[in-house]
Amino acid sequence: DTAVSQTPKYLVTQMGNDKSIKCEQNLGHDTMYWYKQDSKKFLKIMFSYNNKELIINETVPNRFSPKSPDKAHLNLHINSLELGDSAVYFCASSQWDRGRTDTQYFGPGTRLTVL
Amino acid sequence: QKEVEQNSGPLSVPEGAIASLNCTYSDRVSQSFFWYRQYSGKSPELIMSIYSNGDKEDGRFTAQLNKASQYVSLLIRDSQPSDSATYLCAVPPSGSARQLTFGSGTQLTVLP
Repeated sequence: DTAVSQTPKYLVTQMGNDKSIKCEQNLGHDTMYWYKQDSKKFLKIMFSYNNKELIINETVPNRFSPKSPDKAHLNLHINSLELGDSAVYFCASSQWDRGRTDTQYFGPGTRLTVL
Repeated sequence: QKEVEQNSGPLSVPEGAIASLNCTYSDRVSQSFFWYRQYSGKSPELIMSIYSNGDKEDGRFTAQLNKASQYVSLLIRDSQPSDSATYLCAVPPSGSARQLTFGSGTQLTVLP
């Protein structure tokens, strides 16, 4: 009964490769997010989609491209991986309630290591 | 000034004591405030949300909000070793209720 799931859990790859991380939520939420947590544990928003529409696009290199095929899925594709991309990537979801910021539910995270 | 600031810690308290975690934020119009707990190697999980000035209690946890002073705190009574984790304060950034800005977290260790 996993609410927010991500695959893979661990990803080890070489510099310059292209990789994807997948996220799915079964909570019926309409908003999904990608966060990056670096080695200092700082959690930073990257992207957010609401009903398949991109609504938040922070200052992220354009090597990172999110894709939302439907409101239950949000994938993250990363081109030309660099050492600095090594981090834990969390997917999250929430239900947008007009006028109020709702609780975000996080997936288990994907630990990306770029060698 | 960072939008959300927390004491980075680490904070150590003995078992049974009260742990006090503090967070200040820069946007005066913020309306929603969240405390997340993150165990090592795990994902953040919501502990408390608070929207109004004053105290909100949930079991051993109490969130305190003071909008005039722009701070929100989390008190953990009767601290247990299982409370040892990093606690993240989160606030929507100015002009956007649809996302959260997280503080850098306070690492709490409860000593048996």
